Amino acid sequence: AAGVIQSPRHLIKEKRETATLKCYPIPRHDTVYWYQQGPGQDPQFLISFYEKMQSDKGSIPDRFSAQQFSDYHSELNMSSLELGDSALYFCASSPRGNNEQFFGPGTRLTVL
Amino acid sequence: QKEVEQNSGPLSVPEGAIASLNCTYSDRGSQSFFWYRQYSGKSPELIMFIYSNGDKEDGRFTAQLNKASQYVSLLIRDSQPSDSATYLCAVIGPSGSARQLTFGSGTQLTVLP
Repeated sequence: AAGVIQSPRHLIKEKRETATLKCYPIPRHDTVYWYQQGPGQDPQFLISFYEKMQSDKGSIPDRFSAQQFSDYHSELNMSSLELGDSALYFCASSPRGNNEQFFGPGTRLTVL
Repeated sequence: QKEVEQNSGPLSVPEGAIASLNCTYSDRGSQSFFWYRQYSGKSPELIMFIYSNGDKEDGRFTAQLNKASQYVSLLIRDSQPSDSATYLCAVIGPSGSARQLTFGSGTQLTVLP
């Protein structure tokens, strides 16, 4: 079965640089969620999109922005990167009318 | 107080035993409850979800929900070494509210051969 696809899988950036993470949801899933998981921590919700519109916002820094495109893929844009942004970033998707969220493999971001 | 609380463990059980994982949540209006398994450095994998009071069984896994006590549990029967992972309890809030998952801190389970 098709799963959530994320790219890149690993990313190394310097402080103050920018990064773009991409997410391709499971086909026919209409909602995309972004989560951040720091070392030894549980995943924290950042932002979600339903039918290409932002639906909910969590603890996402102002330096981050995201959008969902017409083909339902989503991008998380991160600017002025800080050391503390080093984490695993997961995208999850859920189908219409359904609360079950399926996670992608994640992007490991390292900020040096 | 964290919205979703789990015993952090670590929890060790011998192979073939029953592993019992517990979770409590603070928002009485929460509607949807999930158990995810996460291996180190990997993504959370959905293994069970439950929406109504009572038990829900799927293979070796049983989820139990008691909304009056604001308590969710996961039982793993015939535990295998491959079950060794961190188990995350996650909750979605009241109907009509945001649909993001709020996670507990996870319980680290080790199944000893």
